Amino acid sequence: DGGITQSPKYLFRKEGQNVTLSCEQNLNHDAMYWYRQDPGQGLRLIYYSQIVNDFQKGDIAEGYSVSREKKESFPLTVTSAQKNPTAFYLCASSIVGTVDQPQHFGDGTRLSIL
Amino acid sequence: GESVGLHLPTLSVQEGDNSIINCAYSNSASDYFIWYKQESGKGPQFIIDIRSNMDKRQGQRVTVLLNKTVKHLSLQIAATQPGDSAVYFCAESVADKLIFGTGTRLQVFP
Repeated sequence: DGGITQSPKYLFRKEGQNVTLSCEQNLNHDAMYWYRQDPGQGLRLIYYSQIVNDFQKGDIAEGYSVSREKKESFPLTVTSAQKNPTAFYLCASSIVGTVDQPQHFGDGTRLSIL
Repeated sequence: GESVGLHLPTLSVQEGDNSIINCAYSNSASDYFIWYKQESGKGPQFIIDIRSNMDKRQGQRVTVLLNKTVKHLSLQIAATQPGDSAVYFCAESVADKLIFGTGTRLQVFP
C-alpha cells in the first residue's frame, strides 16, 4: 500500500543533543512538508520541499534542518538550538508543490525531552 | 492515546444523527479548502476538499459547504457513527501555504 511512513513513533532527546526524524513516502509525490503540532494550536509549517535537492523555510524553521537528497525521503533534524522541541511532528506530501492539492500525512513522531 | 488539543470546542452527537462542524477562515483570497480528520495518536486524514469556484461538494456521507461572503466553511457528516469520533479541522490556502485551524472535537455517543 502507498503511504507515508514516519519513524520512530516516540523519540526522546537529551539536552544539547540533535535528533533526526525520518519521513519516507512511496506515493511518488514531488512535494514534502514538515509540521509541528502543539495542543490547542493549528499545524505550523517548519520546512517544505517542492522538488529533490531544494527546500524552503516555513514559518517556524529556527532550530530545525532538513535535507531532500531523494524524492521519497525528507528527514527532519531537531537541533539543540530548538529550545522547546516537545511536540508532535507530522510529515506530509502532495503530488505537486502547489496549494490546490491535498496534503497527505504520516502518523507522526512524538518528541519529548529527557 | 495522545490528545491533539486539550481545550478544543466539542460537538457531541448521538449515533445516527447528522453532524455539522464549522470553520471560519481568515483570507478572502483563499481559493482552496480542505477538511481533515485526526484520531488520537495519528496523523490527519484527508476527508474532502473544495475550490472557491464551488459552493458545495459531496463525498461519501460527507458534504462540504463554502460561503465566501462570510468566509465560512462547514462539514456535514450524515448518519454519524462511533468511528467518526475524532478531531476535525479545516485548512485554507494562503499564498503558497496551507493554514490550518485548531479543530473541533466530535464525540459520538450511543
